[in-house]
Amino acid sequence: NAGVMQNPRHLVRRRGQEARLRCSPMKGHSHVYWYRQLPEEGLKFMVYLQKENIIDESGMPKERFSAEFPKEGPSILRIQQVVRGDSAAYFCASSPTAGRGYTFGSGTRLTVV
Amino acid sequence: GIQVEQSPPDLILQEGANSTLRCNFSDSVNNLQWFHQNPWGQLINLFYIPSGTKQNGRLSATTVATERYSLLYISSSQTTDSGVYFCAVERSGNTGKLIFGQGTTLQVKP
Repeated sequence: NAGVMQNPRHLVRRRGQEARLRCSPMKGHSHVYWYRQLPEEGLKFMVYLQKENIIDESGMPKERFSAEFPKEGPSILRIQQVVRGDSAAYFCASSPTAGRGYTFGSGTRLTVV
Repeated sequence: GIQVEQSPPDLILQEGANSTLRCNFSDSVNNLQWFHQNPWGQLINLFYIPSGTKQNGRLSATTVATERYSLLYISSSQTTDSGVYFCAVERSGNTGKLIFGQGTTLQVKP
């Protein structure tokens, strides 16, 4: 079992470009969560998804950010028109059931230049 | 929303020493987890412990849910224990959303 796979590990984007972060959950896990960690801070919840459904997006910025977890393929966190303040580590977690047994990926470190 | 406070914010230990990290939370929870983020940024799940006591090698954790706190004990610390320790809770009836504390940064010196 390869665990939660995130790619890329590091991503550099210029201001105004789009960033796409991918997350493949653990085998058998149908619940996916995205968190953001700003420098020197704890992780902040962004969004909780199940296959083809957004369950809770209360932590997502209202503009430029979107997430999906299609029937086939990885979950995608998409950031349009990136700004310097989007620079952070983005972590994905998955679980077999809601609220139990979270496993985190290694994160994607986004740098906006 | 629920508040999660960790103490101390920073801790420096000599190798071999013991330590206790604390996590206070402001509301009843149905999930509490301790994580270790190593210096490379990887986040490792240490304990799922909404109540009671668990032990895993040199680490153990106790959560007293009625008093809304949890403790993480590290015994005979090693340099590989260095990193940031996070406590995260999930509010009762609100699944799928972990609230993280600000973390305790631990440095173990050889």
